[in-house]
Amino acid sequence: EAGVTQFPSHSVIEKGQTVTLRCDPISGHDNLYWYRRVMGKEIKFLLHFVKESKQDESGMPNNRFLAERTGGTYSTLKVQPAELEDSGVYFCASSQDPSPETQYFGPGTRLLVL
Amino acid sequence: GENVEQHPSTLSVQEGDSAVIKCTYSDSASNYFPWYKQELGKRPQLIIDIRSNVGEKKDQRIAVTLNKTAKHFSLHITETQPEDSAVYFCAAALGFFGNEKLTFGTGTRLTIIP
Repeated sequence: EAGVTQFPSHSVIEKGQTVTLRCDPISGHDNLYWYRRVMGKEIKFLLHFVKESKQDESGMPNNRFLAERTGGTYSTLKVQPAELEDSGVYFCASSQDPSPETQYFGPGTRLLVL
Repeated sequence: GENVEQHPSTLSVQEGDSAVIKCTYSDSASNYFPWYKQELGKRPQLIIDIRSNVGEKKDQRIAVTLNKTAKHFSLHITETQPEDSAVYFCAAALGFFGNEKLTFGTGTRLTIIP
C-alpha cells in the first residue's frame, strides 16, 4: 500500500510570497492531520480533518494559513503571505480511525522563507 | 493545554551501550504516550507506545516506562546499533477516543558511535 505522500519535498520562497503544500493520504483514510516542526523545536499539531470537515483547527497559528480538503481526499495547506517564522518542516499524517496510534506520517515538506 | 518536555536534546553513545531519553508531561489526564523515530530525510515512524494503565512495555531492544505519579516517561534502547541513530520524539495525547491530539517533545538527536 502506498504511504502518505507530500509535495513538494522542499520549497524556498521569499517573504510575502504564497506557497501551497499538498498531502495525499493513504487511500481510504478519512482522518488527515497537519503538523509543523520549526527548526529545533517540537512537532506541533496544526489541524485535523475528518473527510472534508475540519474536526480541530486549534493549532493553526494565524489567518495566513488556510487548509482545505475538498472531496475528502488530498489536502492543501496554503500560506499567504509567508513570513520568515513560517520556515520549518510541515508534516501530514493520515489514519483510518481517529486514534493517534494509527497515524502514518508523510515525509514532510521542508519550507524555507527568505 | 498539554506541555511535553524532552531531554536530552542530543545524545551520543558507544555502539552496544544503552541510551535513555526522558520526557515529562504536564496534564495528568494524558493517557497515551508514543515514541517516534525519524531517520535523516525520512518520515517519523511510531516505534513503541504505552497507555496510562501500563507501567512498562518492551519490544526487543526498545522499552518504554511510565510513571504517572511523577508524570514522566522514558525510552530505553539497549545494545545500541548504528541504525539506531536518528531523532526521537516523545508525545502525549489526552482526551477521549476520537479526540486525541498529540503534543510532541522537542526531539532528541541520538548518535551511535561505532
